[in-house]
Amino acid sequence: SQTIHQWPATLVQPVGSPLSLECTVEGTSNPNLYWYRQAAGRGLQLLFYSVGIGQISSEVPQNLSASRPQDRQFILSSKKLLLSDSGFYLCAWSHGADEQFFGPGTRLTVL
Amino acid sequence: GDSVTQMEGPVTLSEEAFLTINCTYTATGYPSLFWYVQYPGEGLQLLLKATKADDKGSNKGFEATYRKETTSFHLEKGSVQVSDSAVYFCALSDRSGNQFYFGTGTSLTVIP
Repeated sequence: SQTIHQWPATLVQPVGSPLSLECTVEGTSNPNLYWYRQAAGRGLQLLFYSVGIGQISSEVPQNLSASRPQDRQFILSSKKLLLSDSGFYLCAWSHGADEQFFGPGTRLTVL
Repeated sequence: GDSVTQMEGPVTLSEEAFLTINCTYTATGYPSLFWYVQYPGEGLQLLLKATKADDKGSNKGFEATYRKETTSFHLEKGSVQVSDSAVYFCALSDRSGNQFYFGTGTSLTVIP
């Protein structure tokens, strides 16, 4: 069966520090991969999606970036965090128009 | 572009009450429609889905019918429980399969 992992589960970082969040998928190949952010009490904001290795589409201009170095690995990064980057970050995968499967999320607090 | 609109929350109901959460969509073509549920501090879980007009998705007592004529996919449950307290998201996927669009979420609290 397929599983999706995210780490770390919780992260507290100072403003201006770098960020690296990792997402890996097991049990499937060539998935579409997605990064979402959810601010407190808010809906989902799509940040990036990828349909293949090295292929990244950005939905929102910001100080975040994403990379897909391997088929089932998706990384969200920042060189310098802002206070507004705080939130709950969710990774998801899908195959085509079928449902998305979400990871457990990473709670990021920027102080 | 494609989009999803769902009713604003929060919604508070007594146990065993009837639940309706409205969801309407705008899309070109024929999207697939989904309801996801999110419990506190967790990721989203698929609750039910429908892939074509007049399909009814159902799971755990929840139901939603894909209505093309009204572009709606309302979530219903006949008798809610305290354990149903969560945030519910309506979503659609376009036919390219690369894009998913989520509503803003509706928070449901069920009180004993």
